[in-house]
Amino acid sequence: LAKTTQPISMDSYEGQEVNITCSHNNIATNDYITWYQQFPSQGPRFIIQGYKTKVTNEVASLFIPADRKSSTLSLPRVSLSDTAVYYCLVGFGGYGGSQGNLIFGKGTKLSVKP
Amino acid sequence: GAVVSQHPSRVICKSGTSVKIECRSLDFQATTMFWYRQFPKQSLMLMATSNEGSKATYEQGVEKDKFLINHASLTLSTLTVTSAHPEDSSFYICSARPRDRVSYEQYFGPGTRLTVT
Repeated sequence: LAKTTQPISMDSYEGQEVNITCSHNNIATNDYITWYQQFPSQGPRFIIQGYKTKVTNEVASLFIPADRKSSTLSLPRVSLSDTAVYYCLVGFGGYGGSQGNLIFGKGTKLSVKP
Repeated sequence: GAVVSQHPSRVICKSGTSVKIECRSLDFQATTMFWYRQFPKQSLMLMATSNEGSKATYEQGVEKDKFLINHASLTLSTLTVTSAHPEDSSFYICSARPRDRVSYEQYFGPGTRLTVT
């Protein structure tokens, strides 16, 4: 069973900031939070990963509260090309090995309109 | 960096035949590779985890004799669908975890569309 819960879908307009929240009430101490983006008929693409507080890279920010039971992916100024399914996953963070297999939930289908 | 390729990208085969799908990490070594299956409008389902040099670990409900996985090197894993049937038609995606990363990341291949007629 997936460890996460996300909204099934979200709509936005070009230029807006989009925030997608994910619930992971049973996150374990060693779990990291990772977000992926998937376009139709393509493999998922890594967006961002974090453990606590805030992480920012060139495409997104990830906000994680102190209790780590949820996280919010923030996409600044979305464009039409950001229309995709976004998956939030939790998994073990550590060196190699077979631990921490990613279990995908249903994801959030983001539709960006002109 | 962190590019994963899959071959073929698309394959059509007849029922009863076997199909091999390759997954390669092009610019990094991967001690662990994963195989997923995705049906239309559904999420990815983990099929199995393979570690270089050892047997794959299959998820519950996945037939190990039907979906043969070989992880012969740190850059190559193969999935063979044996005696394929139309219900095996799906989008198969592999991913690879870099061996030198502390935090948890996987890099996904572009996927292989399998159609069994």
